[in-house]
This record gives sequence, C-alpha cells and structure tokens, in this order.
Amino acid sequence: DAGVTQSPTHLIKTRGQQVTLRCSPKSGHDTVSWYQQALGQGPQFIFQYYEEEERQRGNFPDRFSGHQFPNYSSELNVNALLLGDSALYLCASTISGGETQYFGPGTRLLVL
Amino acid sequence: QQQVKQSPQSLIVQKGGISIINCAYENTAFDYFPWYQQFPGKGPALLIAIRPDVSEKKEGRFTISFNKSAKQFSLHIMDSQPGDSATYFCAASISNDYKLSFGAGTTVTVRA
Repeated sequence: DAGVTQSPTHLIKTRGQQVTLRCSPKSGHDTVSWYQQALGQGPQFIFQYYEEEERQRGNFPDRFSGHQFPNYSSELNVNALLLGDSALYLCASTISGGETQYFGPGTRLLVL
Repeated sequence: QQQVKQSPQSLIVQKGGISIINCAYENTAFDYFPWYQQFPGKGPALLIAIRPDVSEKKEGRFTISFNKSAKQFSLHIMDSQPGDSATYFCAASISNDYKLSFGAGTTVTVRA
C-alpha cells in the first residue's frame, strides 16, 4: 500500500515565477492538507481540501491556491514567488472523520 | 501567534538514557495531541497521540504525559537509542478539524 506521494522532490524557481506541487493521498483517504515547513521550524497549515473544495485555510495569502481532483489527488499553486516561500511543502492525507494525518516526504522549494 | 510552544530546541542524551520534551498550549478547545518524528529529508511520521481524558499513554519506549489543568504535555523516550536521533514535533488540533498546530520542534541526538 503506497503512502502519500509528492512530486517533484526538489524544485528551484526565481522570484516572481509560479509553481505547482502535486500530492497523491494514501489509498482510501479523501482529505488532503498542505503545510509549509520553513527550515528549523514546525509545519504551518496552509489549507485543506475535501470533496474538491477548500474546507479550511490557514494564515497564508491568496498567492497560495489549491485544487483537489475527483481521485482525491491535490495540487498546491503558488504565484508571484517570494524568497520567503523557500521551504519544504508537505502534503498530509486522512480519512474524513479520522484522526491520524499521514504526511508525504515533501517537496523542497528554493526560490532564488 | 504560535499556539503550541515546545522546549527544548535541542537535546543530547547518552544511549540508554531518557529524553524528555515538553509542550504547552493555550487553546482549551484542543482535544487531540499527537507527536511526530521527522528524519532529515523525510516527512513527519506519527509516533504516538493522546486525548485529554487520559493522563498518560505508553507505546513501547515512548510515553506521553498529559496535564490538562496546566495545559501541558510531554514526550518521554525511555532507553534512548541512536536510531531515535531525529526531530520531534508536538502538535494539537480540535476533533474533526484536521488542522494541526505544531510546535517548533526538538532535535534529539543520541550518542552511542
């Protein structure tokens, strides 16, 4: 049983560019959350998707947007990249009503 | 503002020793408190979790102690092994909310 997968593993972009990160949840999971983990910090909640809709959002600007597809996979889009967007972006999945969130290995984004 | 405060930032313990990590929270609506373990280059993995209706939970060498009145909880790693060297994060959430609020993390180094 494959766990949460994310792609790409690493990405380098320049300021002002746009980026799309992808996540496939664990089999049977229907809820996907995205987190940003800056170096040396704990993950910060960006938003959560369920039934193809954004259900909750953390304290992140509108430059951060997302999408969930009918197969429950998800994308995170970041527009107008800033140097401060450099971080590890983590995807976590769970079953709606379940407690445990399972994290993927993350995508390391570097903005130059 | 950071809803979960974690200490210490790092600790070094000898093989066979006890590692203790402490966390405090402010939001009394939190009712689910997981601990995650993260190795370099990997996503966080759930280690153990507790709800406030119990004061202690043990799984193998890992024990969570919970003090509801003080709004504090801690992780004890007994008989620490070199393979336990990792960063540990405490977190908190509200049931069916799925939004995890993480502490800043504690890097544990176990010396052989």
